[in-house]
Amino acid sequence: GAGVSQSPSNKVTEKGKDVELRCDPISGHTALYWYRQRLGQGLEFLIYFQGNSAPDKSGLPSDRFSAERTGESVSTLTIQRTQQEDSAVYLCASRPRTAWNTEAFFGQGTRLTVV
Amino acid sequence: GDSVTQMEGPVTLSEEAFLTINCTYTATGYPSLFWYVQYPGEGLQLLLKATKADDKGSNKGFEATYRKETTSFHLEKGSVQVSDSAVYFCAPLTQGGSEKLVFGKGTKLTVNP
Repeated sequence: GAGVSQSPSNKVTEKGKDVELRCDPISGHTALYWYRQRLGQGLEFLIYFQGNSAPDKSGLPSDRFSAERTGESVSTLTIQRTQQEDSAVYLCASRPRTAWNTEAFFGQGTRLTVV
Repeated sequence: GDSVTQMEGPVTLSEEAFLTINCTYTATGYPSLFWYVQYPGEGLQLLLKATKADDKGSNKGFEATYRKETTSFHLEKGSVQVSDSAVYFCAPLTQGGSEKLVFGKGTKLTVNP
């Protein structure tokens, strides 16, 4: 597609359930990032992929959070046993690695509400 | 670790006022520097960037200069418009083993007519 696509756009889940958030990066973009943005807050770095490996997963808040990436394509962020504090917009971004100074392109995000 | 300190908001200005949003960073190596903007109801998009010392990024009347000696990348605009109302984020991109893109907390700008 033309841009970064995230699905679903909105997700309401009950506390304690597992959720999967999907990100389709721009074709050919080798780098992929996940961020969390709580209401009125900044972007909290979660994890960074280069290809299908994750050189930096230092931002994952707990072991309930995990992420995978298939090759240089789709990534899935999984949150197990969701808690109310997980409610936020989850943003995905991708960038080409042809040069170190290239910018990231963002998806529209998945708004997660844990009730 | 890598971090960004961005001017606290919110900032409220009248149309045609001068804008400065301060940004300083700590980063490994020699980062590229970006300003992103998030307009109400929209996703994040790149506003401008600079990739080496003394470079000036510019777009839509906004400017920022890469100051290596002060590790700063302050955003400026000489005359803001109502349509500039948005949240602005400063972000260095580190080089090397981890190309981590870290964001500041964001500065919300409201421009009144």
